[in-house]
Amino acid sequence: GQNIDQPTEMTATEGAIVQINCTYQTSGFNGLFWYQQHAGEAPTFLSYNVLDGLEEKGRFSSFLSRSKGYSYLLLKELQMKDSASYLCAGRSNDYKLSFGAGTTVTVRA
Amino acid sequence: EPEVTQTPSHQVTQMGQEVILRCVPISNHLYFYWYRQILGQKVEFLVSFYNNEISEKSEIFDDQFSVERPDGSNFTLKIRSTKLEDSAMYFCASSVREDRGEVDGYTFGSGTRLTVV
Repeated sequence: GQNIDQPTEMTATEGAIVQINCTYQTSGFNGLFWYQQHAGEAPTFLSYNVLDGLEEKGRFSSFLSRSKGYSYLLLKELQMKDSASYLCAGRSNDYKLSFGAGTTVTVRA
Repeated sequence: EPEVTQTPSHQVTQMGQEVILRCVPISNHLYFYWYRQILGQKVEFLVSFYNNEISEKSEIFDDQFSVERPDGSNFTLKIRSTKLEDSAMYFCASSVREDRGEVDGYTFGSGTRLTVV
């Protein structure tokens, strides 16, 4: 199984950058995912890392260090619509996802 | 863009009643999953399904739960005798997984909000 830890909530200003950290402990690690979830809606895929390093996708970037069991999601040029919960999820070799409790990001004007 | 479709979007049922939640996965996907999210809590894995059988299930997925792929398109979750604590959002997901280099993970459906009263 996997144990995923991430902060409960973060607040940032529109236009700023926010970094959401995630640590994981896992048996049979097979990738680290980040999802965005608005209240009452389904998680939507943001990014995926299976090798160490930084993956950039527009305003969102994700980093992975397998030796440290650590990942972060970087949100740049924050917009009001980025206010949501961000879920870190580890995938094991059986392709099951184990989710963290999510980090609620509030973007203020 | 292909979608995973879930019906109904909301379901209210009395404790002890049976419910069936329905999902239509993406047509070329081979692996299907159910997850649930109790209000204010994290998304939890229930079961994975491949080649017409369960490949993995969690401790939550006890004898009250069952899954079925009755035809080529639908994937259902049945709860035989609902309890108050089964109230949650239930998400269906599907993935390809033929190529282990797949990078975009699962596609989740929009969910069914189940309320047991």
